[in-house]
Amino acid sequence: NAGVTQTPKFRVLKTGQSMTLLCAQDMNHEYMYWYRQDPGMGLRLIHYSVGEGTTAKGEVPDGYNVSRLKKQNFLLGLESAAPSQTSVYFCASSYWQGADSSYTFGSGTRLTVV
Amino acid sequence: KQEVTQIPAALSVPEGENLVLNCSFTDSAIYNLQWFRQDPGKGLTSLLLIQSSQREQTSGRLNASLDKSSGRSTLYIAASQPGDSATYLCAPKIKAAGNKLTFGGGTRVLVKP
Repeated sequence: NAGVTQTPKFRVLKTGQSMTLLCAQDMNHEYMYWYRQDPGMGLRLIHYSVGEGTTAKGEVPDGYNVSRLKKQNFLLGLESAAPSQTSVYFCASSYWQGADSSYTFGSGTRLTVV
Repeated sequence: KQEVTQIPAALSVPEGENLVLNCSFTDSAIYNLQWFRQDPGKGLTSLLLIQSSQREQTSGRLNASLDKSSGRSTLYIAASQPGDSATYLCAPKIKAAGNKLTFGGGTRVLVKP
C-alpha cells in the first residue's frame, strides 16, 4: 500500500529558482491538499483540490500554484522561490468531505531556499 | 477564525504512566476530529477519527473523547511506552472552514524508560 507519495523528499533551491513538488495517491481519493509546516505556526493549508481539474486557495496560497490534471496527482509549483518558502511541505488526500472521512498524509518534502 | 489549542505543548513522563493530551477549539460546528502522530522528520500518521455524532473512539491503548458543545477533545494513551514518544496533533474538520482540517500546534511527548 503506497498511500500518498511525495517527491522529492529533500531539495535546496536558490532564491528565484523554480520547482515542482509532486504528490501521487493510489487510493482513488477525490480530495487532495497541500500543507506547509513551520515551527511555531503549525500546519497551514496552501491549496487544495476537490476533484480532477479543480483547484482552490487555502490559507496561505501566495507564491504557489497547483494543478490537478489527473485524479491521482496533485502538483505544487514555486515559480520564483523565496527564503520565506523554506518549510516542510505535506500532501494529503481524503475520499470525500463527510464526517467519516479521514485524511492520509505523505511523508513530506523538506525544502530549503537559500 | 477558528483557533485550535493543544495543552500542554510538551510533556515528559516515565514509562508506564498514562498520558492525557488536551485539544480545544473555538468553533463547535465540526464534522469530525482527527488525532495524528508525527515522529521527528516524518509525516503524519492518523491515529483516531471521531465523528461529530460520537462521544469517543478507541484503538488499542488509545482512547479519544469528544465534547463538541464545549469544544474539547482529549486523547488518552494508557501505559505509555518509549515508542509513544512523538508529537501528537489534533485537527477538527470545521464546517465554516469549508470542511477542511484545522490543526493545533501539537503536544510533544517524551516517554522515558
